[in-house]
Amino acid sequence: DIQMTQSPSSLSASVGDRVTITCRASQSISTHLTWYQQKLGEAPKVLIFAASSLQSGVPPRFSGSGSGTDFTLTISSLQPEDSATYYCQQTYNIRALTFGGGTKVEI
Amino acid sequence: EVQLVESGGGLVQPGGSLTLSCATYGLTLSNYWMSWVRQAPGKGLEWVASIKQDGGEEYSVDSVKGRFTISRDNAKNSLSLQMNNLRVEDTAVYYCARQRNVGTYYSPLYYLDYWGQGALVTVSS
Repeated sequence: DIQMTQSPSSLSASVGDRVTITCRASQSISTHLTWYQQKLGEAPKVLIFAASSLQSGVPPRFSGSGSGTDFTLTISSLQPEDSATYYCQQTYNIRALTFGGGTKVEI
Repeated sequence: EVQLVESGGGLVQPGGSLTLSCATYGLTLSNYWMSWVRQAPGKGLEWVASIKQDGGEEYSVDSVKGRFTISRDNAKNSLSLQMNNLRVEDTAVYYCARQRNVGTYYSPLYYLDYWGQGALVTVSS
């Protein structure tokens, strides 16, 4: 199975900061990478699909980049409502979809 | 509006069985792969199983193989997860999710775009 490693596991930042979360795949997954945001007690919500495509309705301060094995989620100017846990997921191997361990963002 | 609504969660003893259902609204279920994802208390997301549009292919995580069965009824717009021989470590919130293809038929690229609100399964004696 493809392993997904996220870093950092948690971070604390201030409103207005630029925040970067990384996700590394154990083998090349092209651009089959999705980023989700999950707030406490809620279902995950899609932010970015296909590594860099912004999901409809998601604020443009969120962006994704990367291909192959290394990917990045960037929040250009952190807002109070961005306090959440962020997960990456690979869908390259549909026989075994896998998530990263998550990054908790505190403000 | 697309909605996914899970039901059937609850408390069950180790070794017991439970069936989760996911009712879908606002979509043609037969057009999509569907998945189950779970989240143990205080832990991260774990993919559990996926099933093809016609039910002809299904895949699951190794830890549930032989115990959990994913199925679907496109005519009833519903997805199910039959869970047998449950273990304490299966305790989690279980989400159903739609798997959208933004690639092509021969070169698909999927992501889980709609999720239900989740159903809590507690395995405890």
